[in-house]
Amino acid sequence: QVQLQQWGAGLLKPSETLSLTCAVYGGSFSPYYWTWIRQPPGKGLEWIGEINDRGSTTYNPSLKNRVAISVDTSKNQFSLKLSSMTAADTAVYYCTRATVDTLTTGARWVDHWGQGTLVTVSS
Amino acid sequence: DIVMTQSPDSLAVSLGERATINCKSSQSILYSSNNKNYLAWYQQKAGQPPKLLIYWASTRESGVPERFSGSGSGTDFTLTISSLQAEDVALYYCQQYFSTPFTFGPGTTVHIK
Repeated sequence: QVQLQQWGAGLLKPSETLSLTCAVYGGSFSPYYWTWIRQPPGKGLEWIGEINDRGSTTYNPSLKNRVAISVDTSKNQFSLKLSSMTAADTAVYYCTRATVDTLTTGARWVDHWGQGTLVTVSS
Repeated sequence: DIVMTQSPDSLAVSLGERATINCKSSQSILYSSNNKNYLAWYQQKAGQPPKLLIYWASTRESGVPERFSGSGSGTDFTLTISSLQAEDVALYYCQQYFSTPFTFGPGTTVHIK
């Protein structure tokens, strides 16, 4: 049974950099995509970006200049960094796994979620 | 970006009755080369992460009860709960994975009448 366990600082000051890490237990690290999704309190879901086991990344253009996702396959971990945090970035951040349909052109959907980390940005 | 909309915002249904949630994409998410719709449905209960219910618009994830079904094609999709149970009280989101950035609908809240 795949489990995603995530950790990182939950309280940041404006302009600081968010750093979260997610460890994958009970499953292979490939050929999946590893994704970060966030949810502001009481609001909907926003896709932040993804990385595959080869280190290829895709980011949401709305965050592209501030976001970096990396992977450490030796530890079965992947990480998120989001710089220049503001109050608008306050949200629950989820690490997730996306299953890839190898029969199609890389179509993928999220099928496993971490427990979420509430990140609050406040001075 | 593909914009996803859902209706209604909120839905109250009696136990054992049918619940229907609609989802619309701003452009077609049907890929012509494989005739598949790149749409997923998620259920989120209070204080929990979302849970995958359906992908390819109509394929139920393993372990998801048969009362959940998805339909639709192109730009218009529906999630149906055929006989609402108390444990189905939740927020439901549709999501397109046709093109990045993958985007979600705003969600529909289902509760008991």
